[in-house]
Amino acid sequence: GGIITQTPKFLIGQEGQKLTLKCQQNFNHDTMYWYRQDSGKGLRLIYYSITENDLQKGDLSEGYDASREKKSSFSLTVTSAQKNEMAVFLCASSMDWGGAYEQYFGPGTRLTVL
Amino acid sequence: GDSVTQKQGQVTLSEDDFLFINCTYSTTTYPTLLWYVQYPGQGPQLLLKVTTANNKGISRGFEATYDKGTTSFHLQKASVQESDSAVYFCALVNTGGADRLTFGKGTQLIIQP
Repeated sequence: GGIITQTPKFLIGQEGQKLTLKCQQNFNHDTMYWYRQDSGKGLRLIYYSITENDLQKGDLSEGYDASREKKSSFSLTVTSAQKNEMAVFLCASSMDWGGAYEQYFGPGTRLTVL
Repeated sequence: GDSVTQKQGQVTLSEDDFLFINCTYSTTTYPTLLWYVQYPGQGPQLLLKVTTANNKGISRGFEATYDKGTTSFHLQKASVQESDSAVYFCALVNTGGADRLTFGKGTQLIIQP
């Protein structure tokens, strides 16, 4: 088995601030993902990475940057936090790219912007 | 584009009640369909997956049947327990298209003891 660790668990920021969320996995999976979860809106894909140093934009990439320097880690940066923004950011990984492969999710980082 | 619709935002039941969560989808091909479950404080985890080859998925007492005619993939359980309280997401993978997950908005299941 393996585990996905997301840090921090809670993140409070100010409007306009640049904020970074981190994700580590020990599954030795090739593909990693960042999703945003808003209440009542399901999960939306922000960025994904098929392998180390690869980056692909998802449906919600505007306002975010991502970085995959190592196979085991994937970071997400909110480039300018929006006032009153509240969401949970979920990191996931899978053995390979493609719908046939199960995605394993971390517990999330809950973001609040004051 | 692909879409998944879950009409029920919240379902409230008592223990031993029958569960039915509605899910319909729209896509250009015959996708792989999935149900994920998210317990409080955790990330979603795969509950069951159904492809065009097998039509029905069963896991932990839950079942879902792939109905191409009505493009539906409803989740059912004969007798719910308090431990089933969670958010349930229906999702699809368009294997002939972008090959990524498209999620529904989720249905929160509340089980009253």
